[in-house]
Amino acid sequence: GAVVSQHPSWVICKSGTSVKIECRSLDFQATTMFWYRQFPKQSLMLMATSNEGSKATYEQGVEKDKFLINHASLTLSTLTVTSAHPEDSSFYICSARRVWGGSYEQYFGPGTRLTVT
Amino acid sequence: AQKITQTQPGMFVQEKEAVTLDCTYDTSDPSYGLFWYKQPSSGEMIFLIYQGSYDQQNATEGRYSLNFQKARKSANLVISASQLGDSAMYFCAMREGRGSQGNLIFGKGTKLSVKP
Repeated sequence: GAVVSQHPSWVICKSGTSVKIECRSLDFQATTMFWYRQFPKQSLMLMATSNEGSKATYEQGVEKDKFLINHASLTLSTLTVTSAHPEDSSFYICSARRVWGGSYEQYFGPGTRLTVT
Repeated sequence: AQKITQTQPGMFVQEKEAVTLDCTYDTSDPSYGLFWYKQPSSGEMIFLIYQGSYDQQNATEGRYSLNFQKARKSANLVISASQLGDSAMYFCAMREGRGSQGNLIFGKGTKLSVKP
């Protein structure tokens, strides 16, 4: 089956520091990956769409300079939260799209819980 | 306007009974897909079931079935014979567009609690 991993699974950092989250598709190539943010007791909100070899497309209201996305290979996308603040504390979930039999399937990583102190 | 509406913030069901989680959607695109995901407390999103807009029959996957009423734009999830392990958040999602290339849009979710 298609597996997507995220690292780290949880991270605690101090305010003002930067944190990098990795998303990997382990057994398939993903030209497109998605980054979601989920606050407690809320739904998943799409932050950005990451395409291999090109700049990410950010959703309205998401600061591209704060949430840096790099999709340098077909199996790896990274999200860097720069100068993190307590309000950035959230659950970040990535998803990778696989092209399979002419259709597009989307697989989710296990998520990364970020706490900024 | 919300694309996906889940009107039940929380639901309780007795173990071994069936439960229906509601989902309505809004789209003008004739081609779309509807999904249900389960999110336990650990956080991972678990795919449950998929219904395409052109599918004639309701989707079923084991104890999960999707009650697809296209004219009413509803895609309710039915879980039969509830188990304690079914306690989790459940999200309805939609993907618009031909070729399934659109992004997933999620509803606010329903928290299901199964009572022993």
